[in-house]
Amino acid sequence: EAQVTQNPRYLITVTGKKLTVTCSQNMNHEYMSWYRQDPGLGLRQIYYSMNVEVTDKGDVPEGYKVSRKEKRNFPLILESPSPNQTSLYFCASRREETQYFGPGTRLLVL
Amino acid sequence: AQKVTQAQTEISVVEKEDVTLDCVYETRDTTYYLFWYKQPPSGELVFLIRRNSFDEQNEISGRYSWNFQKSTSSFNFTITASQVVDSAVYFCALSEATNNFNKFYFGSGTKLNVKP
Repeated sequence: EAQVTQNPRYLITVTGKKLTVTCSQNMNHEYMSWYRQDPGLGLRQIYYSMNVEVTDKGDVPEGYKVSRKEKRNFPLILESPSPNQTSLYFCASRREETQYFGPGTRLLVL
Repeated sequence: AQKVTQAQTEISVVEKEDVTLDCVYETRDTTYYLFWYKQPPSGELVFLIRRNSFDEQNEISGRYSWNFQKSTSSFNFTITASQVVDSAVYFCALSEATNNFNKFYFGSGTKLNVKP
């Protein structure tokens, strides 16, 4: 089944403790992207990747890192999470200009 | 300035009513795409439709229809004979040729409550 997967789905952590949210797609898509969803703000793009080793900033990249070492994987890294990064995170991959989203990761930073 | 505006934060209707969700966008590009996504209470994002800027034909898919008007920069979504299962948050989104469609701009969403 064609899909985008994210892990973990739920995560509670404390301020400053590094974490990684994984994203994987099995559709051989070149483009992948990360978003955060906050009430009243919709989804905002954090980072995107056009292909392996090619990444660029979205609208809200501060406090996040990404890497794209393989086509199928696009992890989101929070080196030192802060409470304002508490949010719902979505990974997506793109085919023919349409983005298809993973199930989301709900992160709480205490 | 917001590139995509969904002015209706929340709408409540009774089942079988028709409802229109508004989306207004802002772009200087002549080539762009517009999208609608549905987010049911379970939280996933479901793709509904993509429309490119050169295709102003309205589209109908079952009870769903979309009205794209470049003159007013709007891409409105109508649900006919709404059902409880239509209850969800609906997002409108835009991508532009300027950045090779790599950036995706979402509106803030409209929460639709359909009551039995």
